[in-house]
Amino acid sequence: DAGVIQSPRHEVTEMGQEVTLRCKPISGHDYLFWYRQTMMRGLELLIYFNNNVPIDDSGMPEDRFSAKMPNASFSTLKIQPSEPRDSAVYFCASNFRGALGYTFGSGTRLTVV
Amino acid sequence: AQKVTQAQTEISVVEKEDVTLDCVYETRDTTYYLFWYKQPPSGELVFLIRRNSFDEQNEISGRYSWNFQKSTSSFNFTITASQVVDSAVYFCALSSNTGKLIFGQGTTLQVKP
Repeated sequence: DAGVIQSPRHEVTEMGQEVTLRCKPISGHDYLFWYRQTMMRGLELLIYFNNNVPIDDSGMPEDRFSAKMPNASFSTLKIQPSEPRDSAVYFCASNFRGALGYTFGSGTRLTVV
Repeated sequence: AQKVTQAQTEISVVEKEDVTLDCVYETRDTTYYLFWYKQPPSGELVFLIRRNSFDEQNEISGRYSWNFQKSTSSFNFTITASQVVDSAVYFCALSSNTGKLIFGQGTTLQVKP
């Protein structure tokens, strides 16, 4: 298995632009998580899905952030409009209930200038 | 509410020293899981171990060992005979039956030659 695949690896965008981050979980995993990592706030859980259904989005910072999971093999995290304070590394992770560990993607480093 | 506390922000040791990373957790769940992840300078999150709340046996894997004590809500991680390659940020994490995984703030370990 190729693991959790995130794209792009790096994204530089201007303030006000729309940004879309993508994630392909491991096949067969029924949980998908989006995290944001910053120096100040560490690893924050933004939202997670179970069987493609959002379970807890209490970590989504503002209405500018939205996440979707249209099917079991794909999820997006969208920021519209983006702001410099959104600059961070965004990780996607997937898990199968009962599996040993949560598998993380390599992350997307987002820079908003 | 669930919470993970890693009180040590940064630790610096000289190669071959033993080092213990502390983790204290809070949860009201009777069934839960504890994790350690390693984040090397390259940025990926590497799964190290998972323990469930019913298994308090200590675990040893090579130079790594973990001490789980429910009485003190702690899940500490010890590296024996540290090496420069152990330099990384180490995260303790907690999940429950909901599947939600939350992280501590992380401990940066620097191993000097």
